[in-house]
Amino acid sequence: EIVLTQSPGTLSLSPGERATLSCRASQSVSRNYLAWYQQKPGQAPRLLIYDASRRATGIPDRFSGSGSGTDFTLTISRLEPEDFVVYYCQQYGSSRGTFGQGTKLEIK
Amino acid sequence: QVQLVQSGAEVKKPGASVKVSCKVSGYILSELSMNWVRQAPGKGLEWMGAFDVKDGDTTYAQKFQGRVTVTEDTSTDTVYMELSSLKSEDTAVYYCATRIWFGESLGDFWGQGTLVTVSS
Repeated sequence: EIVLTQSPGTLSLSPGERATLSCRASQSVSRNYLAWYQQKPGQAPRLLIYDASRRATGIPDRFSGSGSGTDFTLTISRLEPEDFVVYYCQQYGSSRGTFGQGTKLEIK
Repeated sequence: QVQLVQSGAEVKKPGASVKVSCKVSGYILSELSMNWVRQAPGKGLEWMGAFDVKDGDTTYAQKFQGRVTVTEDTSTDTVYMELSSLKSEDTAVYYCATRIWFGESLGDFWGQGTLVTVSS
């Protein structure tokens, strides 16, 4: 199974700043089938990005994804107060999908 | 509008089994592949397995092989996930989730989650 490692574990920033979250895979993700999710407390995850760089319907354009192979990045260009929650990457290029352990975005 | 509605919270004793249901509305169940994901209290998301309703193929995470079974009842548009030999570490919220292509855009749908508590 592909292991996804997210970094950092916690990211402390201020509203208006730029956030860069990393997701590294233990082997190449087939067809760059990599998604990013946002999860707020008590809620199911919400899809932000799929196929590494395609924004899901209704997601603000301050969220963007990039990368290929084993290294992927989620960038939030200007942080809004509601963005300070937890983010997960997930690969679905292999028959067994796996999630990263998550990055918590906290207010500095 | 696609909706996934899961069964209610469960409390089980160690060694027992639990069966969580996920009822689909707004789409044809037989066209879907359903994933099961769990989240222990205060922990991250964990992919458990996937069930392709169309062809009956199932794929489970190695960690759950032999303990998890996913089935479907197309007459009621419901998918079931059964986890056996429960341990306290299986206490978690269990989600069903699916993705559907609508032309060029991808929809991602999740159930509301089912809390399973394993306690003696």
